[in-house]
Amino acid sequence: DTEVTQTPKHLVMGMTNKKSLKCEQHMGHRAMYWYKQKAKKPPELMFVYSYEKLSINESVPSRFSPECPNSSLLNLHLHALQPEDSALYLCASSLQGQGVLNTEAFFGQGTRLTVV
Amino acid sequence: EDQVTQSPEALRLQEGESSSLNCSYTVSGLRGLFWYRQDPGKGPEFLFTLYSAGEEKEKERLKATLTKKESFLHITAPKPEDSATYLCAVQANAGNNRKLIWGLGTSLAVNP
Repeated sequence: DTEVTQTPKHLVMGMTNKKSLKCEQHMGHRAMYWYKQKAKKPPELMFVYSYEKLSINESVPSRFSPECPNSSLLNLHLHALQPEDSALYLCASSLQGQGVLNTEAFFGQGTRLTVV
Repeated sequence: EDQVTQSPEALRLQEGESSSLNCSYTVSGLRGLFWYRQDPGKGPEFLFTLYSAGEEKEKERLKATLTKKESFLHITAPKPEDSATYLCAVQANAGNNRKLIWGLGTSLAVNP
């Protein structure tokens, strides 16, 4: 199993809603990532979890709240988002974790988020 | 400042017409250079990692090469299914988190 599974595939939410994005992998990877990608732009790193601990927060606004319940799951909780937060949200995982980012990462198919 | 520049921005080829994509980089000590392929609305798919100048890697119709200043992704006899955006990223030795620095990508279209 070399898949990173993200749900939902599409999400439309209002600015006052609370929603969560989910990500799951069963490859035994100990580093998991959230990226945000706008059209015609490369992925932009948001958060990195290494061995279930948050190791990198790229100064992401607090309306995005990550959670790593166990080594296979990664969530991104969304609250009071703005229309400019509309984007493709990508989850990724890689084998190595703590200290060094192994960027031979496997990406999920993403969640297309629209904030209205 | 660490930087990655990909060229061309877009490339249209006929099926079977070989070509190369370029990724130029300036970084304070290269740890690795990575090529990904991304289809519209999908997540990037890992292709290659290159670590040192002179290194080459191949996968089907793709071959990636690395020098001290740039990497090339050679596409031999492309097929329509090779149409995608190809992203290059580098990881530097310096810095605490060694995060990826991405190029803007080359959008490749292969016509049948």
